[in-house]
Amino acid sequence: AQRVTQPEKLLSVFKGAPVELKCNYSYSGSPELFWYVQYSRQRLQLLLRHISRESIKGFTADLNKGETSFHLKKPFAQEEDSAMYYCALRTTGGYQKVTFGIGTKLQVIP
Amino acid sequence: DSGVTQTPKHLITATGQRVTLRCSPRSGDLSVYWYQQSLDQGLQFLIQYYNGEERAKGNILERFSAQQFPDLHSELNLSSLELGDSALYFCASSVGRQVGANVLTFGAGSRLTVL
Repeated sequence: AQRVTQPEKLLSVFKGAPVELKCNYSYSGSPELFWYVQYSRQRLQLLLRHISRESIKGFTADLNKGETSFHLKKPFAQEEDSAMYYCALRTTGGYQKVTFGIGTKLQVIP
Repeated sequence: DSGVTQTPKHLITATGQRVTLRCSPRSGDLSVYWYQQSLDQGLQFLIQYYNGEERAKGNILERFSAQQFPDLHSELNLSSLELGDSALYFCASSVGRQVGANVLTFGAGSRLTVL
């Protein structure tokens, strides 16, 4: 069965510091990976997905199949980045299922 | 507005009772997902429906059941409620099963409090 691990429940960084939110996964097939974000009093929403290879709000994430990781990075944290971040894996082939990690709360200190 | 509508927003009930949570997916989306979010366990996948049929099952208790109706709305039924069932229940929808077409759009959630 697939599994998504986010080892940090809380990550505190100073404004302007680099950010790295860790995500590791286990899945026997070829996964589709996502990062979702939930800002205070807002709905959970997609931030980015690995197949798009995009940078959203300065965040990037690279799928490393060798290390089974999909870490989310941003070179300079902003206060508005404070939110809950969830890594998600979608299985491929057959009936797909989306599994989320436990989430990491990012707190950017002014 | 994301297009996924969940009702009720808040619900307070007693142990042993039964409640029904309702979800209307975004227009055009065929898949509906239910998740439970609690403080210590993050987002737990419960169940997924695609065009009226159950597609995947996660950590859903036997006391819980769900269905997706012909108009694609879905209901999550929670019975014999326990204190531990207090949580935020999210519904999400997506277009379908194709690779790249499964970005989830979430509703605002239904907060259930069991006293």
